[in-house]
Amino acid sequence: NAGVTQTPKFRVLKTGQSMTLLCAQDMNHEYMYWYRQDPGMGLRLIHYSVGEGTTAKGEVPDGYNVSRLKKQNFLLGLESAAPSQTSVYFCASSSWGAGSSYEQYFGPGTRLTVT
Amino acid sequence: EDKVVQSPLSLVVHEGDTVTLNCSYEVTNFRSLLWYKQEKKAPTFLFMLTSSGIEKKSGRLSSILDKKELSSILNITATQTGDSAIYLCAVAQRTGNQFYFGTGTSLTVIP
Repeated sequence: NAGVTQTPKFRVLKTGQSMTLLCAQDMNHEYMYWYRQDPGMGLRLIHYSVGEGTTAKGEVPDGYNVSRLKKQNFLLGLESAAPSQTSVYFCASSSWGAGSSYEQYFGPGTRLTVT
Repeated sequence: EDKVVQSPLSLVVHEGDTVTLNCSYEVTNFRSLLWYKQEKKAPTFLFMLTSSGIEKKSGRLSSILDKKELSSILNITATQTGDSAIYLCAVAQRTGNQFYFGTGTSLTVIP
């Protein structure tokens, strides 16, 4: 049981390049989230998904797109990276509904630098 | 605007001290408040507090939810160097599916 995994762990991009971050969970959770964490800003929600095939915008969605084609995977895309997207990105998943603990399980993070 | 505010932003204490971390929130349709510990990587879950479970304790850590004051405290007694971390507070909504995080309190415990 690996929990929540993220790939890659580190990445350096040039301005304007694109990339996709992959999040996978093996806990059969319905809900998945992408956050970014910047110094002094805490965790800010980018996008989230309440189930396969559904996504929704969070607090800071601009410049990012997401897809949830399979229940266990949640992809975060940057179409044209900007230096302002330099951050540490965390994926999380949680169960929901009666009997759930509602806590979020986090992946190890991806450190992205855009030059 | 929904928000979660933590204080203090940072704290330095000596081993053996007791610390109290604060979290206040203004979040519509409150469902639960969660505390996480973050040590240079992913946050790890500590406690979840709800209307039906306003006090939790685990070893030296304890937390209380005050729904009237819209706040929570996290107490750590007899602190150890291993308690050094960022402590995050998050609030989940009953409707909608978002979690709102505070900026965290950075705790440093020196020997």
